[in-house]
Amino acid sequence: EPEVTQTPSHQVTQMGQEVILRCVPISNHLYFYWYRQILGQKVEFLVSFYNNEISEKSEIFDDQFSVERPDGSNFTLKIRSTKLEDSAMYFCASSLRQIQMNTEAFFGQGTRLTVV
Amino acid sequence: GENVGLHLPTLSVQEGDNSIINCAYSNSASDYFIWYKQESGKGPQFIIDIRSNMDKRQGQRVTVLLNKTVKHLSLQIAATQPGDSAVYFCAENTGYGGATNKLIFGTGTLLAVQP
Repeated sequence: EPEVTQTPSHQVTQMGQEVILRCVPISNHLYFYWYRQILGQKVEFLVSFYNNEISEKSEIFDDQFSVERPDGSNFTLKIRSTKLEDSAMYFCASSLRQIQMNTEAFFGQGTRLTVV
Repeated sequence: GENVGLHLPTLSVQEGDNSIINCAYSNSASDYFIWYKQESGKGPQFIIDIRSNMDKRQGQRVTVLLNKTVKHLSLQIAATQPGDSAVYFCAENTGYGGATNKLIFGTGTLLAVQP
């Protein structure tokens, strides 16, 4: 069964450093997303991406964040200067079409980011 | 200050019993709802969805009920099994068919199945 894969599974970084979280969405999917989940809390939307541009972003997704689809298969989330409060599980997701009945978003297993 | 996580509501059931997990959503404009299951260390996994023009939808061992009047969603799991133990989230979308692809997740309920 096709799946969304994320690397690394765990990333530890020092405050102020840049991190890049990587995702390989399902190959024929056209819509891509990043969500995050702070330990014990809700899953929160960060950004959606379609046709090589951001289609929607949340208040969390400030100038420190950026996304890119550099090569047609990878989808990356970059945090330019990490803060302690960026520590969370980051989930990548993809969908074939816009979110609607019979078009589910498939989530990866997540990357746990720990900022120290 | 220290980031203290939310205390998850917990539902504890015996194996073989039926489970009912509830969710209250906040946005009356939401028109598409999804239940996700999240096992420890994994990403959310789709279970079942429902549109706002429906009040009930059934899948394999699962049923979702939607009450738009009181903005309430429930997930019923028949004959609960140990493998059903997980955190269950409801998610809502306000732009069915295209206005937005953003999913807004609820707090989550921990389902603990006792053998």
